[in-house]
Amino acid sequence: NAGVTQTPKFRVLKTGQSMTLLCAQDMNHEYMYWYRQDPGMGLRLIHYSVGEGTTAKGEVPDGYNVSRLKKQNFLLGLESAAPSQTSVYFCASSGLAGVGEQYFGPGTRLTVT
Amino acid sequence: SQQGEEDPQALSIQEGENATMNCSYKTSINNLQWYRQNSGRGLVHLILIRSNEREKHSGRLRVTLDTSKKSSSLLITASRAADTASYFCATPRTGANSKLTFGKGITLSVRP
Repeated sequence: NAGVTQTPKFRVLKTGQSMTLLCAQDMNHEYMYWYRQDPGMGLRLIHYSVGEGTTAKGEVPDGYNVSRLKKQNFLLGLESAAPSQTSVYFCASSGLAGVGEQYFGPGTRLTVT
Repeated sequence: SQQGEEDPQALSIQEGENATMNCSYKTSINNLQWYRQNSGRGLVHLILIRSNEREKHSGRLRVTLDTSKKSSSLLITASRAADTASYFCATPRTGANSKLTFGKGITLSVRP
C-alpha cells in the first residue's frame, strides 16, 4: 500500500501560469481533502470531496478548482497562479467522515514568482 | 473561526523528560484527534479520543479529554530526539462531520 501520494513534490510557477496537482490514494477511501499550509496559519481546507463525482468548497477555495472523476484520484487546479498561492499543499483521505483519521500525502511545495 | 487551539506554541525539553501539550476548542465535538508532522513531511495521525472517553493511551502517548472544559492534553513520556516535530489537534467542524479543523500546531524540540 502506497497510501496517499502526491505529484509533483516541488514546482515553481510564474504568475499567471496554470498547473494541476494530483493526489492518489489506494485505500478505497470515500473522502478526500486538499489543504494548504502556510507559516503561522496552520492547515486550511481548500476543497474536499465526499465521494466520486462530488466536490465542495472549504475554507479558502478562491483561485482553485478540483475534480474527483475517479474515486482514487483528487485533482487540484490553479488556473492562473498568483504569488499568494505560494504554499505547501497537502492532500488527505479518510474512510470515515469526521470520526476517522485522515491520511496525508507528503505534500507539494509550490512557489509562484 | 479557529476550533482547536494548541498551547504552548513552542516547547523545548531535554531528552527523557515528559512533554505536555494542550488543546482547547469552542463547540461540542464527537471526537478529538492529535497529529504529528516532522519537518518537510505530511501529517501523521497519532491518536483519536471520542467524546465519551476521558483518557486514552498509545505507547508513550497519553491523551486526556475534558468536555466540560473543552480541552485536551497530549502527554509524551520519556521523550526522545525523534519526537522533535510539530503537533496538531484537530476536531470535526461544527455541523459538518466530514471536515476537520486543525490548530496552528505546537513545535516540540527535544534536545539530546
